[in-house]
Amino acid sequence: RKEVEQDPGPFNVPEGATVAFNCTYSNSASQSFFWYRQDCRKEPKLLMSVYSSGNEDGRFTAQLNRASQYISLLIRDSKLSDSATYLCVVPETGGYNKLIFGAGTRLAVHP
Amino acid sequence: NAGVTQTPKFQVLKTGQSMTLQCAQDMNHEYMSWYRQDPGMGLRLIHYSVGAGITDQGEVPNGYNVSRSTTEDFPLRLLSAAPSQTSVYFCASSGMRRESDEQFFGPGTRLTVL
Repeated sequence: RKEVEQDPGPFNVPEGATVAFNCTYSNSASQSFFWYRQDCRKEPKLLMSVYSSGNEDGRFTAQLNRASQYISLLIRDSKLSDSATYLCVVPETGGYNKLIFGAGTRLAVHP
Repeated sequence: NAGVTQTPKFQVLKTGQSMTLQCAQDMNHEYMSWYRQDPGMGLRLIHYSVGAGITDQGEVPNGYNVSRSTTEDFPLRLLSAAPSQTSVYFCASSGMRRESDEQFFGPGTRLTVL
């Protein structure tokens, strides 16, 4: 099993739709989790951090289910500008800031 | 602050050539790292450093060398380029107060090895 797994998509949704991505991780000792956003041919940038059960920031909600070892990202009222690849990231425990990246889920929002 | 800068943005090499990818940050971050990103795969850690003079291997270190003589700079050297090293390379930096410190990425170097 890969350490961090994501559905690659693409998810094609109309503007205004609600879309959710899931990510599973294998290291049950992980304490913090991240969603990074990567635009086409650009560098990843931090979108949200998740430390406890979840986090909400405007239209974006991240939830953590430790028992099932998955993290979800919910985007409400999708905008064209949300089109990007969303990377699920889990720090390697005890490994300073070494990060383990999922392959990413691609989202395409259309008019 | 310029953040994390990388040069060059694009590079084409022939098999067997060597080159150095440059990375610099002006945020006084202790932690710096190099990743490669290939289609359909997550970013994979090549080498990392937790401070000047300290480096260690990541998941895919073969064929690459690093050094960290200053806090600001963390160059990545390709010793003898191979087509399998065709990839996008990202440098990143962060503080080390805790494992959840945000990592800041450079704009990337797109490398093609013929």
